[in-house]
Amino acid sequence: EAGVAQSPRYKIIEKRQSVAFWCNPISGHATLYWYQQILGQGPKLLIQFQNNGVVDDSQLPKDRFSAERLKGVDSTLKIQPAKLEDSAVYLCASRVPGQLLTGELFFGEGSRLTVL
Amino acid sequence: EDQVTQSPEALRLQEGESSSLNCSYTVSGLRGLFWYRQDPGKGPEFLFTLYSAGEEKEKERLKATLTKKESFLHITAPKPEDSATYLCAALNDYKLSFGAGTTVTVRA
Repeated sequence: EAGVAQSPRYKIIEKRQSVAFWCNPISGHATLYWYQQILGQGPKLLIQFQNNGVVDDSQLPKDRFSAERLKGVDSTLKIQPAKLEDSAVYLCASRVPGQLLTGELFFGEGSRLTVL
Repeated sequence: EDQVTQSPEALRLQEGESSSLNCSYTVSGLRGLFWYRQDPGKGPEFLFTLYSAGEEKEKERLKATLTKKESFLHITAPKPEDSATYLCAALNDYKLSFGAGTTVTVRA
């Protein structure tokens, strides 16, 4: 079974530039998450999708971050304009709907962003 | 506010030297406590789910336990391949809150 695919793996940009990250979840996983993991910290939820609808985006800095999941499959997370504090690993995760209580999220390898 | 705190931040062990990691949580209406393993440059990988105080789960050299306020991950006779960051996460009604993790290094 193919895992969660993310790209690019690494990105270096200057502050105030824009960047986009792509995620393709495991086939059949209608629930998709984007997490931000700053070095030395645990993952912090940015946004959760159920199919192509947003379930929770309460911690997404909406003045600079946006995310979409067209057609309920793959998803894109965009940052524009980037700030130094956005340097982090952006993790995409997916799970089967109705399996929240199992805790079993499947994570991609992440996209590491460095903002200079 | 929901809070998950892990200790210690880092743990260096000799191969075969058993130890425990702590995860204390302040979550209203806990529905589950989860442990993940994260290798450098990788995403977290699911290990265990615990639902109620007194519950235990085991996998190879790892055993997770849960009380009303904390969870422990016991590593018995660790090997170098057990080196990783171990994350715990607490689930309330619908939100998963992660701790910062404990980085375990096992020396041969």
